[in-house]
Amino acid sequence: DADVTQTPRNRITKTGKRIMLECSQTKGHDRMYWYRQDPGLGLRLIYYSFDVKDINKGEISDGYSVSRQAQAKFSLSLESAIPNQTALYFCATNGQATTGELFFGEGSRLTVL
Amino acid sequence: EDQVTQSPEALRLQEGESSSLNCSYTVSGLRGLFWYRQDPGKGPEFLFTLYSAGEEKEKERLKATLTKKESFLHITAPKPEDSATYLCAVQARGAQKLVFGQGTRLTINP
Repeated sequence: DADVTQTPRNRITKTGKRIMLECSQTKGHDRMYWYRQDPGLGLRLIYYSFDVKDINKGEISDGYSVSRQAQAKFSLSLESAIPNQTALYFCATNGQATTGELFFGEGSRLTVL
Repeated sequence: EDQVTQSPEALRLQEGESSSLNCSYTVSGLRGLFWYRQDPGKGPEFLFTLYSAGEEKEKERLKATLTKKESFLHITAPKPEDSATYLCAVQARGAQKLVFGQGTRLTINP
């Protein structure tokens, strides 16, 4: 089983719908991240959390919210999806000692029509 | 603002044809530079961390080097299984997040 699991892997939805992407990890890491990947733009950080009571905005947090339900679970919500949120979303984790060594999930491809 | 630029965007090589990928960066004090490999339909996979100019890291056919302005990922005698997108990222001192480049898509033809 994967260390970082994302669900769903693929989702097609309509403008205005609420969408939740879920991430769970078995690595025992405190730090969890949500990234968005678009062609030509690389990976951009949406939100990150260093423990259950800690939530921080990344560089592109507008239109998104997150919830850290437990050390192992970090979910990303789009309250009212819009077409320019069509992208590949990645969850990642790391330990405190190796901050640049991120462990990524396999991604959630979201299409907003 | 911290920035990372990777070149070329795409590179096609024949099996056994060595080459290098470039990662140019500007950062307000480098804490670390990181290389990742990403296969189609997968999440990025960590390869190397470099901390200071002059440092080198090797793994199989890959060698990463670092100067004060750029990093190179050298690929020696590549094989088709080395085909992937290679991502570079930097972390500034005191910063919590990584800044990623756009990646170089490498294709090795048999």
